[in-house]
Order: sequence, then C-alpha cells, then structure tokens
Amino acid sequence: QLRLQESGPGLVRPSETLSLTCTVFGGSITSSSYYWGWFRQPPGKGLEWIGSIYYGGTTYYNPSLGSRVTISVDTSKNQFSLRLSSVTAADTAVYSCVRIPKFDLYWFDPWGQGTLVTVSS
Amino acid sequence: EIVLTQSPGTLSLSPGERATLSCRTSQSVGSSLAWYQQKRGQAPRILIYGASTRATGIPDRFSGSGSGTEFTLMINRLEPEDFAVYYCQHYGTSPTYTFGQGTKLEI
Repeated sequence: QLRLQESGPGLVRPSETLSLTCTVFGGSITSSSYYWGWFRQPPGKGLEWIGSIYYGGTTYYNPSLGSRVTISVDTSKNQFSLRLSSVTAADTAVYSCVRIPKFDLYWFDPWGQGTLVTVSS
Repeated sequence: EIVLTQSPGTLSLSPGERATLSCRTSQSVGSSLAWYQQKRGQAPRILIYGASTRATGIPDRFSGSGSGTEFTLMINRLEPEDFAVYYCQHYGTSPTYTFGQGTKLEI
C-alpha cells in the first residue's frame, strides 16, 4: 500500500526558506499515471493548494505564491520536495503531500500525515 | 484566478435535519467542482466530483448539484458523524486547484 511521509524542520525563521521533502513508500514516483502535490492548511483555517509536479519535472504552482515556491523531484530517492522562500508568519501551516491520479484530478490519495511548520524567530 | 465563495460560513443544525451548503465561483467552471469533508485532525475526504457524482463509498444522503457558477451540496438526514467542515474545490484539466473558504457544519 502506497504511503507518503513528509519530513523537514518544524521551525523556520522569518525571511528564510522552508524546505520539506515527501518520500514515497510502497510505489514508484515515476509512475506515468500520477502527479504529486503539496497542500497546506494554517491552524484553524482553510485548505490551500501550493503546487504539483510530474515525475518528468513539469510543475504547476499557485499563482498567489508567486516565485517563492519551487517543487522538484528526485527519482533516485523516490522523493519530491517543496521550497518556499522568504517566509513570514502567514506561512505557518500544516503542510501535506499527496498523490494525484492523472485522469481523476479531484482524487487525492493517499495523503501524507502532514507536518506542522511554524515560522517564528 | 477563479475565486470560490462558500455560504454560510457556519451552519447550525440538528441530527436528522437537512443541510444545504452553497458554493459560488467567480467565473464558470462547468462541472469541474468537487466537495470535500474534513474532520478535525484528519485529511480531507472527497464526497462529490463533477459537481454531482458521489465518490465511492459516500452515502446517498450526500448529493451535489449545479453547474457554471452556482453549486450546492445537500446532506439529508444529518448523522452525528456529518458535523465537520466542508470545502468546495475547482479542478481543471491540469493539477491546479482552488478551494472555497469552507462551511462549518455544527450541532
């Protein structure tokens, strides 16, 4: 059964870069049938899509995050990563990675367990 | 950028009643709209996609309707486990997404 696991620092200082990695267990990130995505949810607030990637490197980003976000894939490690630069307190959130079927783009399964990232000095 | 506006922000009902949740989009999205349920501490669960198609395993007391810019999620005969936050979401032909701000369904 496929499982996703986020990893990375739980505390990031303002103006620095948030870096998270999602490791895929029990399946291959190079499957041609899936995209891989990042979402976040600030405490007590709603869901926000951050971006998505295909294993070949094609990326899609939320325009509201502008050039601050970069998503990349490392097929040798079966991982994909998120970098969010120039963070502020507004970037404090639970960050989750997901798998997205190419032909059922509304179906996110599975989700990682999520990791809380706090932006604070 | 498409904006999704959900109403009401909070809906207070009792078990056995019917809930009606609305989602309005700033421009037409056809039928490319999904509804998700999220309980505290859990990942969102898809209920409806294509505006009106129930996802696998979703009880038939959940129904979705609408197209274009106006959408509705109806929950008949509310069960205690239905009290949660509900989000509408637009999805397109690529993996890009926009969510509404959510409706909290409370007892």
